[in-house]
Amino acid sequence: DAKTTQPPSMDCAEGRAANLPCNHSTISGNEYVYWYRQIHSQGPQYIIHGLKNNETNEMASLIITEDRKSSTLILPHATLRDTAVYYCIVRVAFVNAGKSTFGDGTTLTVKP
Amino acid sequence: DGGITQSPKYLFRKEGQNVTLSCEQNLNHDAMYWYRQDPGQGLRLIYYSQIVNDFQKGDIAEGYSVSREKKESFPLTVTSAQKNPTAFYLCASSNTGGSGHQHFGDGTRLSIL
Repeated sequence: DAKTTQPPSMDCAEGRAANLPCNHSTISGNEYVYWYRQIHSQGPQYIIHGLKNNETNEMASLIITEDRKSSTLILPHATLRDTAVYYCIVRVAFVNAGKSTFGDGTTLTVKP
Repeated sequence: DGGITQSPKYLFRKEGQNVTLSCEQNLNHDAMYWYRQDPGQGLRLIYYSQIVNDFQKGDIAEGYSVSREKKESFPLTVTSAQKNPTAFYLCASSNTGGSGHQHFGDGTRLSIL
């Protein structure tokens, strides 16, 4: 599975959009981008995933560049409850996750 | 509700003692996983199982053992050979259908007495 690079930390004002970047320059054609988040002392929670088209669900939007070497997770109206560590994972979908690697992620702090 | 249950939430181990962490899922998922998380760090894969009666080592399997006798259960034993077992342990499951994303339990925090 391809490796990802994320900034270690970011701040965002409450009510504003939070844009979390992820670089995955070695991504393969059949690998999807997944995002999870982990609130302190809890298990990670799945947010969204995509292959090459932009995706949106009730939690967030995922923007993937045309060359697929990077992506951005967008939380449109961040709240204090969105403060968490956000992980970007790249792997083949529709098969078991196997050795998918969770790096250190980005710690997002939403401030009042 | 469907989900993953890890127990206990907190566990204490004496030096030289083996302990077993429980993980049960009622999502009918084929695959299950164990991760270790140290403070301020990401998740590291210990073991994973893609089907009953089969499992593979992850990146940090030394000092740990698992079994997969039933689809819904994937217990992890932290043996006395694991010299630094204090950590947060997370269990997950996934299926080959749908998005294939992982569902996580709420973790077990293991400490040495």
